[in-house]
Amino acid sequence: EDKVVQSPLSLVVHEGDTVTLNCSYEVTNFRSLLWYKQEKKAPTFLFMLTSSGIEKKSGRLSSILDKKELFSILNITATQTGDSAVYLCAVEAPQKLVFGQGTRLTINP
Amino acid sequence: SQTIHQWPATLVQPVGSPLSLECTVEGTSNPNLYWYRQAAGRGLQLLFYSVGIGQISSEVPQNLSASRPQDRQFILSSKKLLLSDSGFYLCAWRRRASDTDTQYFGPGTRLTVL
Repeated sequence: EDKVVQSPLSLVVHEGDTVTLNCSYEVTNFRSLLWYKQEKKAPTFLFMLTSSGIEKKSGRLSSILDKKELFSILNITATQTGDSAVYLCAVEAPQKLVFGQGTRLTINP
Repeated sequence: SQTIHQWPATLVQPVGSPLSLECTVEGTSNPNLYWYRQAAGRGLQLLFYSVGIGQISSEVPQNLSASRPQDRQFILSSKKLLLSDSGFYLCAWRRRASDTDTQYFGPGTRLTVL
């Protein structure tokens, strides 16, 4: 059965800290791994990763995939209160995305 | 540009009542369409996906059903709601021609069954 596990489930840090969110997976016919940010409503797309070892970067956010060890990390540096959200990891198999439970990140001022 | 609409945005229904949630996509043709449910504090669970009109694949057994009467319309239904059907329902689309394109989500419908 396809499975995606995120850790930690919940994280509370102070503004300015750096955080690392983890995502491990077991999926048949892996195609890609995606990270989403979900605030109050629908998830918004952050990154799509298909190749091992190539870091994707967008401002203070970055992510990398390890297809040998079957995991990905999402880093956020110099966190701000606006980064508070649930971060979802999803792995793409044919015709579907399998989502993890999400990590609820809270940034305190 | 492409947009995806869902309605209603929120819904409160009694147990045993019927349900119909609608999703439409604009600005693209032949999309793959998806229905997800997110229970409180949980990740997204795929309920149904469709690769074309009248073609529905179900991922989990349940009292919900889906239909795709038109290319860019996807409907989630139930004849009799259960308490466990409460949750946040998200519709998503993806370009069928691209196997690695991301899915884009609609704004969601928050359903509360009392």
